[in-house]
Amino acid sequence: DQQVKQNSPSLSVQEGRISILNCDYTNSMFDYFLWYKKYPAEGPTFLISISSIKDKNEDGRFTVFLNKSAKHLSLHIVPSQPGDSAVYFCAASVEYGNKLVFGAGTILRVKS
Amino acid sequence: ETGVTQSPTHLIKTRGQQVTLRCSSQSGHNTVSWYQQALGQGPQFIFQYYREEENGRGNFPPRFSGLQFPNYSSELNVNALELDDSALYLCASSLTDRGTEAFFGQGTRLTVV
Repeated sequence: DQQVKQNSPSLSVQEGRISILNCDYTNSMFDYFLWYKKYPAEGPTFLISISSIKDKNEDGRFTVFLNKSAKHLSLHIVPSQPGDSAVYFCAASVEYGNKLVFGAGTILRVKS
Repeated sequence: ETGVTQSPTHLIKTRGQQVTLRCSSQSGHNTVSWYQQALGQGPQFIFQYYREEENGRGNFPPRFSGLQFPNYSSELNVNALELDDSALYLCASSLTDRGTEAFFGQGTRLTVV
C-alpha cells in the first residue's frame, strides 16, 4: 500500500524553464511534507518542507504547494538549472519530520 | 555536508550471515532513524531510536535490530541475511522538535550473495 505516490518516474526540462514535480498521498493523518533531492552516491538532502496548516512555502527558486482536499503537493523550481538534475523524493510524516514515508522518486533532468 | 556519517560505504555478505552497519549522527541530535532503499524505490522506514530507546518501527521483521549510544552513534544489525536485503541503508538524525527535518548520511550499499 503506497501512501505516497510520485507517478512520474522522470521529467526533462530546458534550462531556465519551470520544473514541476508532483506527489499524491492517501493518508489524511499526514501533517508534514518534505522534498528531498538525491545525487548518485549521496544520501538524500533536505530541500523544502510544508506543514499541513499552510498551502504554500517558498525558499528561493523552490516553492512547494499543498492541496489538502486533493491530497496533492507539488514542487516548483524556477528557473531550473543543470545542477538541479537529480532524483527528487516527496516524503510525508505524521510527526513533523520523523518516521518519513517516501515516494518512489522522480528523476529530473535539466538540459542546457 | 550533513554531519551524518555511515560506515562502511559498501559491503558484500553471504546469505545467512549477520551484518552490522554504523552511523554517527549530527551532534546534538537525539533521534536517529534507519531506512532501506531498494533499487528504483524510495527509502522505507525501518525503525527510529530516541534517547537510546526504540521509538517506532516500520514493517520489518525482528531480525532487523538496532542500538543507539549516548555519543550520538548508532548501529543497525541484520541477522540471517536474505538476498532481498540487498539495498542502500540510510541513517538520518533529527531533533524531535516540531518542524525539524531529518539529515541523512550517504548510506551503506549492502549486497547479499
